[in-house]
Amino acid sequence: DQQVKQNSPSLSVQEGRISILNCDYTNSMFDYFLWYKKYPAEGPTFLISISSIKDKNEDGRFTVFLNKSAKHLSLHIVPSQPGDSAVYFCAASESGNSGTYKYIFGTGTRLKVLA
Amino acid sequence: KAGVTQTPRYLIKTRGQQVTLSCSPISGHRSVSWYQQTPGQGLQFLFEYFSETQRNKGNFPGRFSGRQFSNSRSEMNVSTLELGDSALYLCASSRTGSNTEAFFGQGTRLTVV
Repeated sequence: DQQVKQNSPSLSVQEGRISILNCDYTNSMFDYFLWYKKYPAEGPTFLISISSIKDKNEDGRFTVFLNKSAKHLSLHIVPSQPGDSAVYFCAASESGNSGTYKYIFGTGTRLKVLA
Repeated sequence: KAGVTQTPRYLIKTRGQQVTLSCSPISGHRSVSWYQQTPGQGLQFLFEYFSETQRNKGNFPGRFSGRQFSNSRSEMNVSTLELGDSALYLCASSRTGSNTEAFFGQGTRLTVV
């Protein structure tokens, strides 16, 4: 039961253009979402997060959009740079006393930014 | 501020042996989670500890266990190692375990031969 899905295993984008990474979830109780970037043999690096009370959060070149009705979130990287080439994971969590105290991760999307 | 520290970085063990991995969270973080990553897989949740208590456990066999100490440092143990246990084991710390950012260590690469 994959509660967080990243249906595109890979994505190639030209340097300077926009990269859009997508993530879908099935559990309507998720109320906090995160994006991580991961290089080989390293731990994931936190990029950006969004609470379910918002529909957009922006941090420099990274913007995350949340569409709760569609249970969909996306990460936009503008402009894309070769150093952005990595595997990107989205993750979701539940809050509060009924929270499950864990982050559920998608399977990742490998982004390649072409110079 | 120091990040999440995992030791050792690399480990080679033989089938049937047991192994203990260590994780020191960011100062002030009380939640520590463990994940397994294998090639082609996402991060599979193992378990989460908060204030020395296991609050959640993933779908892994009982050979996988963990604990957390009063200083929030955590250890993960795998007994009777199998070849399929070869993976990158990642530890993440956060303040509460949900609804805040979790920060990962560099992981321990375990190879079972």
